Amino acid sequence: ELKVEQNPLFLSMQEGKNYTIYCNYSTTSDRLYWYRQDPGKSLESLFVLLSNGAVKQEGRLMASLDTKARLSTLHITAAVHDLSATYFCAVVFLSSGSARQLTFGSGTQLTVLP
Amino acid sequence: NAGVTQTPKFRVLKTGQSMTLLCAQDMNHEYMYWYRQDPGMGLRLIHYSVGEGTTAKGEVPDGYNVSRLKKQNFLLGLESAAPSQTSVYFCAVSGTGYYGYTFGSGTRLTVV
Repeated sequence: ELKVEQNPLFLSMQEGKNYTIYCNYSTTSDRLYWYRQDPGKSLESLFVLLSNGAVKQEGRLMASLDTKARLSTLHITAAVHDLSATYFCAVVFLSSGSARQLTFGSGTQLTVLP
Repeated sequence: NAGVTQTPKFRVLKTGQSMTLLCAQDMNHEYMYWYRQDPGMGLRLIHYSVGEGTTAKGEVPDGYNVSRLKKQNFLLGLESAAPSQTSVYFCAVSGTGYYGYTFGSGTRLTVV
């Protein structure tokens, strides 16, 4: 079964603190994506991770990929209120073939408190 | 350059009514996808298309039909709407040699 699991599903954190969101997937993938979604809005692309050991950073967010462990992390450094949103990871499984459809995790609803 | 346009943005249907959601892209991409988003469940794939004239079922296809008669348009149809189809529907597109996925702004559908 093709599954993508995120944890935690809900995360409240104080401004200035660090935290990590985890994304596990069930079988071989060659691409992993992180998206941000604000309430009532569409998905905004954050990162595309294409290979084992890939690390990408943008501002206070850093994403990494370990294909052997089938694990990606999204690390938040010194959180600020503007980072409050729902974060999704999504995987393209190799078994999807040419269709390349994304399989999404359930999302992590992040609230950054003052 | 609009990218991916979904129409309508909002719709309320009565149970048993039918409707069609339109996804239009100006990116000339081959791959188009329809997802639904329900609270706490992420996005789930309904149907997808890898090119003009081709469609295939995704994870949750029951109650929906699709067509892709033109490369730029992907239509999602509900023949007889049910309250369980109340959801937010997103279209996404991607292309050969392009790693990104571009999402439409979504259609919020309520079936009463």
